[in-house]
Amino acid sequence: GQNIDQPTEMTATEGAIVQINCTYQTSGFNGLFWYQQHAGEAPTFLSYNVLDGLEEKGRFSSFLSRSKGYSYLLLKELQMKDSASYLCAPSGGSYIPTFGRGTSLIVHP
Amino acid sequence: DAGVTQSPTHLIKTRGQQVTLRCSPKSGHDTVSWYQQALGQGPQFIFQYYEEEERQRGNFPDRFSGHQFPNYSSELNVNALLLGDSALYLCASSLGANQPQHFGDGTRLSIL
Repeated sequence: GQNIDQPTEMTATEGAIVQINCTYQTSGFNGLFWYQQHAGEAPTFLSYNVLDGLEEKGRFSSFLSRSKGYSYLLLKELQMKDSASYLCAPSGGSYIPTFGRGTSLIVHP
Repeated sequence: DAGVTQSPTHLIKTRGQQVTLRCSPKSGHDTVSWYQQALGQGPQFIFQYYEEEERQRGNFPDRFSGHQFPNYSSELNVNALLLGDSALYLCASSLGANQPQHFGDGTRLSIL
């Protein structure tokens, strides 16, 4: 099975930086996905980490440490539109991503 | 280039009824996965189809069944509906396994 732990809710100020942590335990590991989901909408793909280290993509970066079962999503220069749920989804031996409950990020002025 | 499309958008059923949800994958994708998302929860994997076969299945009862057609589109069928089946049902497509999945907007199913 897989266990995924991420904070339920975080708040941050517009223009700031926020880091959303995720710890996981999987049966086998093939990579970790991060998705963004706005209320009432479908999840949209943000990043995919297979190897250890930091992957940067514009304002968003994702880090992975396979030995620690740990990942984080870093959001820079926060904008109001970044208010959403962020889903951590490790992919195990079955290659099926397992989603956590998500972290609800609230960005305020 | 159309993304993943699902129909219907919303559906209301009563306990004991049966429902069929439909999904067309993103152009070029051959793998379709179905998820159930309850309010405040992450998507829960139901099953995945590839080459018209169910390749993987999550922890869902046999009341949940599916099908994939030669054009890669897919259906999710749920029999003997229960109140607890009320949720957003998401379809996701990808090109092969372990690739980023692209989600449709979902079908919101309400059971009365």
